[in-house]
Amino acid sequence: DMKVTQMPRYLIKRMGENVLLECGQDMSHETMYWYRQDPGLGLQLIYISYDVDSNSEGDIPKGYRVSRKKREHFSLILDSAKTNQTSVYFCASSLSGADTEVFFGKGTRLTVV
Amino acid sequence: AQSVTQPDARVTVSEGASLQLRCKYSYSGTPYLFWYVQYPRQGLQLLLKYYSGDPVVQGVNGFEAEFIKSNSSFHLRKASVHWSDSAVYFCAVSPAYSNYQLIWGSGTKLIIKP
Repeated sequence: DMKVTQMPRYLIKRMGENVLLECGQDMSHETMYWYRQDPGLGLQLIYISYDVDSNSEGDIPKGYRVSRKKREHFSLILDSAKTNQTSVYFCASSLSGADTEVFFGKGTRLTVV
Repeated sequence: AQSVTQPDARVTVSEGASLQLRCKYSYSGTPYLFWYVQYPRQGLQLLLKYYSGDPVVQGVNGFEAEFIKSNSSFHLRKASVHWSDSAVYFCAVSPAYSNYQLIWGSGTKLIIKP
């Protein structure tokens, strides 16, 4: 069953707290992504990972870091969360290549109060 | 700079009517082109993709898209929409030989009137 799983689905954190969003995939995809989605802005790429310990910044990496120690897991960390990081975060994965389908998780709705 | 424009933030059509969602891209070469759909509270799912060959590509659930190189467009069409087509539709571009980073449009919300 081809799936990208995100945990948790909903999360409320206080400003200044650390946040860990976790993502797993069962397709042995080399490439994994973290996006955030805000109304009217579409998807913004935070980080992309090409394989274990091979991560690159996307368009909006500031305030975020990632960890990928196993091919099937990709974590997004917010150190000292800010209210402007309130958003829906999507993890995704794909095979290598510009023409491949990207598979998305169902998202994590993070609210920072 | 490469970009994708979906000029319509929201489109409303009656059930059974035909549909066209517009997408234009800015890229000097021929990129890979995609349409994804996002149903409420879900992640995105691939509808169809195009790189070469027949400029009209068929997707799932009766959707198709036509690549018009001269216009840098990749509009999505459906002959007869159903209420279950209500969703947000995203056009995306992946430049050939890129580092796999898709360039996304801002999305078009499709509302189906009964």
